[in-house]
Amino acid sequence: DTAVSQTPKYLVTQMGNDKSIKCEQNLGHDTMYWYKQDSKKFLKIMFSYNNKELIINETVPNRFSPKSPDKAHLNLHINSLELGDSAVYFCASSPAGDGYTFGSGTRLTVV
Amino acid sequence: EDQVTQSPEALRLQEGESSSLNCSYTVSGLRGLFWYRQDPGKGPEFLFTLYSAGEEKEKERLKATLTKKESFLHITAPKPEDSATYLCAVRRNAGNMLTFGGGTRLMVKP
Repeated sequence: DTAVSQTPKYLVTQMGNDKSIKCEQNLGHDTMYWYKQDSKKFLKIMFSYNNKELIINETVPNRFSPKSPDKAHLNLHINSLELGDSAVYFCASSPAGDGYTFGSGTRLTVV
Repeated sequence: EDQVTQSPEALRLQEGESSSLNCSYTVSGLRGLFWYRQDPGKGPEFLFTLYSAGEEKEKERLKATLTKKESFLHITAPKPEDSATYLCAVRRNAGNMLTFGGGTRLMVKP
């Protein structure tokens, strides 16, 4: 039973398109996150979200927006995709303390 | 700004050849230092959390240690299945977000 699941696993799209990546966790965690892993394998925080607040990394373009329909879901919407958005995107969740659990990632390729 | 630097970037070992991975960090108020393992095409998998200098944790062939400036991941008698990228991350007292280092890619040859 997958703890943090992301869909799709692979996403190929053209520049200028709008796309979404879905994330669901069944761990009952309070906080969910989106991370971006670039070609050099560096993981960078994009968003942190719980019921109370959304924290946005100031370097993230406003074309990226998280949307949380409920506590178990945090989807990532990306508008006007650019070539530089190509990367692997990871969703994660954690309880109030620590111990992230990551999803298996979504490889986004913008052509 | 929190900073995490891992070295070496890549490490090749023969099976059974013990070694250590380094994670140097700068953070305002350390709440925890984390080690993760990442296999190709997969998400990071949690290994350890260390909270204070002097703390040590072990799991099979892995042992993580922490000082006020760095953490080491010691690998004793590694096996080929230990080949992976090992990631270090820190969490500060304020907030839940982790800041990651660039990782060490470990390759263990039989």
